[in-house]
Amino acid sequence: AQKITQTQPGMFVQEKEAVTLDCTYDTSDPSYGLFWYKQPSSGEMIFLIYQGSYDQQNATEGRYSLNFQKARKSANLVISASQLGDSAMYFCAMKFPHNAGGTSYGKLTFGQGTILTVHP
Amino acid sequence: GAVVSQHPSWVICKSGTSVKIECRSLDFQATTMFWYRQFPKQSLMLMATSNEGSKATYEQGVEKDKFLINHASLTLSTLTVTSAHPEDSSFYICSAREGGQSMNTEAFFGQGTRLTVV
Repeated sequence: AQKITQTQPGMFVQEKEAVTLDCTYDTSDPSYGLFWYKQPSSGEMIFLIYQGSYDQQNATEGRYSLNFQKARKSANLVISASQLGDSAMYFCAMKFPHNAGGTSYGKLTFGQGTILTVHP
Repeated sequence: GAVVSQHPSWVICKSGTSVKIECRSLDFQATTMFWYRQFPKQSLMLMATSNEGSKATYEQGVEKDKFLINHASLTLSTLTVTSAHPEDSSFYICSAREGGQSMNTEAFFGQGTRLTVV
């Protein structure tokens, strides 16, 4: 069964410092996609970064980078130079190809989420 | 990126009444829409998957008769919470997928609807 786990309910970081949010997953499917989303208090889901299971390089998008360790089945999000506006809930999610493990293509399975608080 | 509009953004209703939430794809044709439910400070839990023109597929434990989903067109899906009770109070959010999207395409989410049943 596919499962995605975020073990940090809450994280605190000082402004301008870097922070790593953990995400581990469990699947036997060789093909999958990993996503990180940010959810501010308004509730909207903001896409941050994507990593494909076959991607050789770690994904980067501006201040966001993904530390993808396939053998360990982890996909940690690194936020560099934290800003006050980064305070939000962060979700790791997985997507599978159509019919993989009985799931529907495009369906996202989310981790429990991590609440990040950036202190000035 | 593609735009998904969800309406209303918040609603308060009396216990026993029904509430309809709309999810529209504004600039693409959404062959599939997903409905999620989220309790405060918790994860998004998939309730159902709807494909245009066919019956929705509900996740285990989700009551089909309580959460009615209609996906009658390629741009609109609706979720109706029937006979709402206070325990149905939650944040409901939809996402839409265009046919032919690849694995690396992010899900396009609506803004979400905060439902409060009093």
